[in-house]
Amino acid sequence: QKEVEQDPGPLSVPEGAIVSLNCTYSNSAFQYFMWYRQYSRKGPELLMYTYSSGNKEDGRFTAQVDKSSKYISLFIRDSQPSDSATYLCAMHIRLFGNEKLTFGTGTRLTIIP
Amino acid sequence: EPEVTQTPSHQVTQMGQEVILRCVPISNHLYFYWYRQILGQKVEFLVSFYNNEISEKSEIFDDQFSVERPDGSNFTLKIRSTKLEDSAMYFCASSDFRRYSGNTIYFGEGSWLTVV
Repeated sequence: QKEVEQDPGPLSVPEGAIVSLNCTYSNSAFQYFMWYRQYSRKGPELLMYTYSSGNKEDGRFTAQVDKSSKYISLFIRDSQPSDSATYLCAMHIRLFGNEKLTFGTGTRLTIIP
Repeated sequence: EPEVTQTPSHQVTQMGQEVILRCVPISNHLYFYWYRQILGQKVEFLVSFYNNEISEKSEIFDDQFSVERPDGSNFTLKIRSTKLEDSAMYFCASSDFRRYSGNTIYFGEGSWLTVV
């Protein structure tokens, strides 16, 4: 079983729709969860970071973590064409000096104007 | 906004040649990383570096790879004898572990390595 599973998509939605992106993980030791956005041939850009179960909101983005189910989600409200990118979930165990991130495969999202 | 910068953005090299990829991490960060992403695949951890030594490395990071912080600002990845399968985007990243909360890892734009 892969440590982090993410539906690769592609996912296409009309502009203005709510987007739901999801990841599951198998390692209970993961404590910190991140969502990155990656445009083609560019570096991952950090969107959201959370370490507890529940919701965290930042503008149009909401990150949700359910540690009991080992499931994390990213919701994008009022989606825009500029949101078209690949979204990567990533997580790590917090050990001092060790922040090795384990990434999902990424979901390619297209927002249709 | 502070950023991680990488050079070169793209390098083509012949199989067997040595390659050095360079990175300037964010200035007040203490932890440095290299990741790679083979085209169409996920981002994979290679190595982490703290206090002038490797703190963790993956099974990918074998003897052909090495990292160095030659001065106070640069962080380099050397691939000694490149193979075709080393063709990938290599990302440098850095983080500031001093704060308890908001522990975040920032990535550079990547160096695209093509081995021919």
